[in-house]
Amino acid sequence: NAGVTQTPKFQVLKTGQSMTLQCAQDMNHEYMSWYRQDPGMGLRLIHYSVGAGITDQGEVPNGYNVSRSTTEDFPLRLLSAAPSQTSVYFCASSRDSPTGELFFGEGSRLTVL
Amino acid sequence: QKEVEQDPGPLSVPEGAIVSLNCTYSNSAFQYFMWYRQYSRKGPELLMYTYSSGNKEDGRFTAQVDKSSKYISLFIRDSQPSDSATYLCAIPTSNDYKLSFGAGTTVTVRA
Repeated sequence: NAGVTQTPKFQVLKTGQSMTLQCAQDMNHEYMSWYRQDPGMGLRLIHYSVGAGITDQGEVPNGYNVSRSTTEDFPLRLLSAAPSQTSVYFCASSRDSPTGELFFGEGSRLTVL
Repeated sequence: QKEVEQDPGPLSVPEGAIVSLNCTYSNSAFQYFMWYRQYSRKGPELLMYTYSSGNKEDGRFTAQVDKSSKYISLFIRDSQPSDSATYLCAIPTSNDYKLSFGAGTTVTVRA
């Protein structure tokens, strides 16, 4: 049972480039979310989804897009990368509710030059 | 004002010591509280949760809530080098759509 799988684990981008961080879960969880983790800031919610076809913004959504076409997949798109988006990104899923136990992937470390 | 505040540390303790970690929160309506543990280069994982004031024990770990002071604590007894990690408190927000995380406290247990 793989849980939550994120790819890539590491990525370096130049300012202005776009890319997609992939997230897949095999636990049939309805709720999925993307967080970014920065030193001293904790985990901040970017976007979340309560089911296929339904997405909404979190507290730091600017510069990111998401879609949820299937229960399993929840990709995060960076539209035009900026150095301020240098961070570690975590995808998480939950069976019960958005505020229930979250199962996290191992993270994607992104550097924007 | 942040919904959850956590001292980022870091903390370094000798093996066998008691580790004390704390968070404060702003909204007295919060009903339950979580602690996540994050090993280096890994994602967080749920360690403990508690619904009400008082203590909850799980092995060497004790979670404590003081709702009158809006203060939550995590104690690790007989700490081991394997407890070296970052510990994050997490509280469901009043909007009910996300957890609000503390900044995390990094703990190192020296053998």
